[in-house]
Amino acid sequence: QQPVQSPQAVILREGEDAVINCSSSKALYSVHWYRQKHGEAPVFLMILLKGGEQKGHEKISASFNEKKQQSSLYLTASQLSYSGTYFCGTEGNAGGTSYGKLTFGQGTILTVHP
Amino acid sequence: EAGVTQFPSHSVIEKGQTVTLRCDPISGHDNLYWYRRVMGKEIKFLLHFVKESKQDESGMPNNRFLAERTGGTYSTLKVQPAELEDSGVYFCASSQDATTGNEQYFGPGTRLTVT
Repeated sequence: QQPVQSPQAVILREGEDAVINCSSSKALYSVHWYRQKHGEAPVFLMILLKGGEQKGHEKISASFNEKKQQSSLYLTASQLSYSGTYFCGTEGNAGGTSYGKLTFGQGTILTVHP
Repeated sequence: EAGVTQFPSHSVIEKGQTVTLRCDPISGHDNLYWYRRVMGKEIKFLLHFVKESKQDESGMPNNRFLAERTGGTYSTLKVQPAELEDSGVYFCASSQDATTGNEQYFGPGTRLTVT
């Protein structure tokens, strides 16, 4: 089942902060965050795993609430380069044949103005 | 290190024609995934290769779609015959390790338009 992202769109001024949320109705093993600019490849930002492990860029901050099956991506002191569409992808199984199968949210459009 | 590449970047075909999309994963990545984003919808999983074997093809829409990965390197996704609802952006991604919770690196996608 598709995770739900909120908000659908955010408009910021440079230097402002934003939080993007991703919520699932099923148990998750990991949450993956990507940013995509128009016409380009989605760029990997971070993975948050059940149990607390995180892998990703040092400048990106995120959290994963395993009990609520929710993840949040924190964008602080935003820059113009942060503009794009942010996707969360969820992975529901630990092992088995479906590892790596990501179920994506609908995306959050972030626009940063000077 | 070269990223995931896809060819072509755009393809416009008529309904009933055949199209073949190609994906070259990052060198050394055994796992290759195909996803699709239809206009206005979310990115959806199509299938997953581990080397040359299909690990999971639960997302393939129907038998008009055929994916191959001969030799465990590049992969092709053929749509035959194409229908209007096949239009969208087809993404390929690759990852190195065969476990849950590994980062997938995406290609820029192929935008397919069926008229």
